[in-house]
Amino acid sequence: LAKTTQPISMDSYEGQEVNITCSHNNIATNDYITWYQQFPSQGPRFIIQGYKTKVTNEVASLFIPADRKSSTLSLPRVSLSDTAVYYCLVANSMDSSYKLIFGSGTRLLVRP
Amino acid sequence: GAVVSQHPSWVICKSGTSVKIECRSLDFQATTMFWYRQFPKQSLMLMATSNEGSKATYEQGVEKDKFLINHASLTLSTLTVTSAHPEDSSFYICSGRTSATNYEQYFGPGTRLTVT
Repeated sequence: LAKTTQPISMDSYEGQEVNITCSHNNIATNDYITWYQQFPSQGPRFIIQGYKTKVTNEVASLFIPADRKSSTLSLPRVSLSDTAVYYCLVANSMDSSYKLIFGSGTRLLVRP
Repeated sequence: GAVVSQHPSWVICKSGTSVKIECRSLDFQATTMFWYRQFPKQSLMLMATSNEGSKATYEQGVEKDKFLINHASLTLSTLTVTSAHPEDSSFYICSGRTSATNYEQYFGPGTRLTVT
């Protein structure tokens, strides 16, 4: 299973764009990159998933370079409610036997 | 997205007793369910993986006789913490996965267990 490395914490201010980068040097050909958000005392919530280039949905964008050894989650114009822990995971989600192993995640603090 | 529920959302039990936590997939059939444990300020730690009708596969270091997992149906999995001790106090999170949505994994809201 590919291991991921993320910054332990990040600070931002309301209205700013936040970019969280994740390193996954050993990503396998069939692995997808998935980001989850977790608030205190809640289960993780799916944010976005991608394989290559760029993926965008209503809450975030995911940028993946050609070598796929890293990825960047971009949160546009964050608000106080975006304060949470963000986890980057890589796994072959099309493999019925895969399992998600969580790394340390990035604690994002959004200040007023 | 698919919904996973857990019951109870929080529970307090006395040391030495057992407690059961239920995990249900409400609108999909979870062929595989996972149980995680999370201590304060730490990441989620995978405890075990269970497939419907099969014995659970436990991660290294997780005592299978202490954490009993039953996945009797495609919509229900239970985790029983036997002879609980204060060090078992934690946040337990389950998740389910289905082939119907490309094996995307959906997480429950978690159960806070406090052993006194």
